[in-house]
Amino acid sequence: AQSVSQHNHHVILSEAASLELGCNYSYGGTVNLFWYVQYPGQHLQLLLKYFSGDPLVKGIKGFEAEFIKSKFSFNLRKPSVQWSDTAEYFCAVTFTFGTGTRLQVTL
Amino acid sequence: KAGVTQTPRYLIKTRGQQVTLSCSPISGHRSVSWYQQTPGQGLQFLFEYFSETQRNKGNFPGRFSGRQFSNSRSEMNVSTLELGDSALYLCASSLEGGQGGETQYFGPGTRLLVL
Repeated sequence: AQSVSQHNHHVILSEAASLELGCNYSYGGTVNLFWYVQYPGQHLQLLLKYFSGDPLVKGIKGFEAEFIKSKFSFNLRKPSVQWSDTAEYFCAVTFTFGTGTRLQVTL
Repeated sequence: KAGVTQTPRYLIKTRGQQVTLSCSPISGHRSVSWYQQTPGQGLQFLFEYFSETQRNKGNFPGRFSGRQFSNSRSEMNVSTLELGDSALYLCASSLEGGQGGETQYFGPGTRLLVL
């Protein structure tokens, strides 16, 4: 069965720090990869997605992710986080979601 | 466009009872998926419906069932509730869904508490 692993369960960063959240998946075929974000009190929403083409994809609010096929990874990055990025982040391969990473950004 | 709506938003039931949750997708979306979200397990996929047919299914027992109507609205039913069924149940819609991996648009969820 397909699985998605997010190794960072809770990350605490200061504003302006750089962010990288890890995501690894098990499926070796063609994959459709997503990062979703859930801000406090809000619905899950799409941050970015990768289907094909340039393995470096850019999403909303300055986030980007890199698809590395050889490593089965799709890590999320942001060069400088803001307090408003405090949220839970989920990596997904179609219907299979990781357990999420809670990001807390301190002032 | 209105977003995905789910009713009711909160529900309290006792063990052994059954429950039905409702989801109205974004207008024009034909695929509806259901997820169970718990603190320890994250989001777990229940099933996906498209054109009134279950097209994909997760690894949940048969107590969890669903259906989709001709207007794409969907219901999820859980029979013989157990304490472990307490969770946030999320509905998501997309245009066509399936293995194409379209963006899913999530509703606010129904929080179910089983006592």
